[in-house]
Amino acid sequence: NAGVTQTPKFRVLKTGQSMTLLCAQDMNHEYMYWYRQDPGMGLRLIHYSVGEGTTAKGEVPDGYNVSRLKKQNFLLGLESAAPSQTSVYFCASRPTGGGTGELFFGEGSRLTVL
Amino acid sequence: EDKVVQSPLSLVVHEGDTVTLNCSYEVTNFRSLLWYKQEKKAPTFLFMLTSSGIEKKSGRLSSILDKKELFSILNITATQTGDSAIYLCAVGLLKETSGSRLTFGEGTQLTVNP
Repeated sequence: NAGVTQTPKFRVLKTGQSMTLLCAQDMNHEYMYWYRQDPGMGLRLIHYSVGEGTTAKGEVPDGYNVSRLKKQNFLLGLESAAPSQTSVYFCASRPTGGGTGELFFGEGSRLTVL
Repeated sequence: EDKVVQSPLSLVVHEGDTVTLNCSYEVTNFRSLLWYKQEKKAPTFLFMLTSSGIEKKSGRLSSILDKKELFSILNITATQTGDSAIYLCAVGLLKETSGSRLTFGEGTQLTVNP
């Protein structure tokens, strides 16, 4: 009963380091999303994908890159981490497009950049 | 620019009170409005609304959408301490060139005291 799995769950980076967050879903969903959540700001969309091999920018894409080489995986990369990227990152997926259908969320990844 | 605004941002009540949470939106290509509850970790799905005037109900929670006035409310009756959480409103949009996405509001932090 895995659903959406994010790794790692916690990470501490120094400014300038790079890292990749992995999101894996086993529900055969087409759509996948990366959000960040900061206090008082709700969930903000970083990047998303409407299918294998596709990606699109969300509201706050700067400083992040993504890849969707396989349908079940959506990777979020930070090439040169900055303290402003300290946040909780959530991956989500949904089966359908068209703007409807609930999102299924992972448990979150807490990233601290010193 | 698509905008989803929730009010109030925080609310403190006593057990047994009834609360109403508000979500208004200004977006293009509206498809749906979703409510989520977030306790410690990942948001959990409550309701999805697509049609105006039809109430969705689950136990003590209910929600309704007004597509003419562009808002939704989430009601919780006879609140319990277990209702303490952040309640997130999200609007499903369909973008012509890049598929569908959800835009979230800032969330309402509800605290229910015994």
